[in-house]
Amino acid sequence: DAKTTQPPSMDCAEGRAANLPCNHSTISGNEYVYWYRQIHSQGPQYIIHGLKNNETNEMASLIITEDRKSSTLILPHATLRDTAVYYCIARWVTGKLIFGQGTTLQVKP
Amino acid sequence: GAGVSQSPSNKVTEKGKDVELRCDPISGHTALYWYRQSLGQGLEFLIYFQGNSAPDKSGLPSDRFSAERTGGSVSTLTIQRTQQEDSAVYLCASSLAQGGGNYGYTFGSGTRLTVV
Repeated sequence: DAKTTQPPSMDCAEGRAANLPCNHSTISGNEYVYWYRQIHSQGPQYIIHGLKNNETNEMASLIITEDRKSSTLILPHATLRDTAVYYCIARWVTGKLIFGQGTTLQVKP
Repeated sequence: GAGVSQSPSNKVTEKGKDVELRCDPISGHTALYWYRQSLGQGLEFLIYFQGNSAPDKSGLPSDRFSAERTGGSVSTLTIQRTQQEDSAVYLCASSLAQGGGNYGYTFGSGTRLTVV
C-alpha cells in the first residue's frame, strides 16, 4: 500500500471549512484514497473514499488531484464535535487498512 | 446487532495471566479485523479474517497472540502470558465486503486491557 503524508496537526475555527491535505505521491492506479477519523477514546469512523473523481457525502467532500498524488478532505462547516484525528489511507479496495499517525484537527470556538 | 460489539469493555489482569477478548461483528459482515492502540499511539494492525480464507496474521506481534473466528461470526483474540507492554485498547472492526468496499469498516468501542 502507498505511503501517505499528513501534517501532524491543524486548527480550524468553528463554522469554517476545514481542509485537510494528504500526499500520496507513490499511489498506484488501483489504490483508493480512504479517510477515517478517530474521536478521543472511540473507534475510528469511516468518512469517505475515492479513486479518481471527487466525492461528496453527508459528512465531507474528497478532492483528488488529477495526477492522484494528493487529496484534500473538506469538512464544509466544522463544529467542535469534528475535533479528532483524521487518517488518510491509500490502499487496494480489498486490502487491509494500515493507519499512519494522521492529522489532529482542533476545532476552536 | 446494530454495531460491532466488544467485550469486556475494560479488563485488568496480572502479568503472566492469559486473557480472551471477544468481538461480535455486524451480522452478515464477512470480514473481521483486530487492531490495537497503545496510549497516545496510532492503530496497529494485528489480524484479518475474510470468509473461509486463511487469516492474515502478519500483524501479530508475537506467538503469545492468537485469534480465531468461529462459524464466520464471533472472534476471540487470546493473549497468553500477558506482559505490561500488552496494555492497550484492542479494537475490532468488521466490513460487508473484503477490504471494506464501498462501506468502509465499522469499528467497535474496544477493550481497554491493563496488565499490572
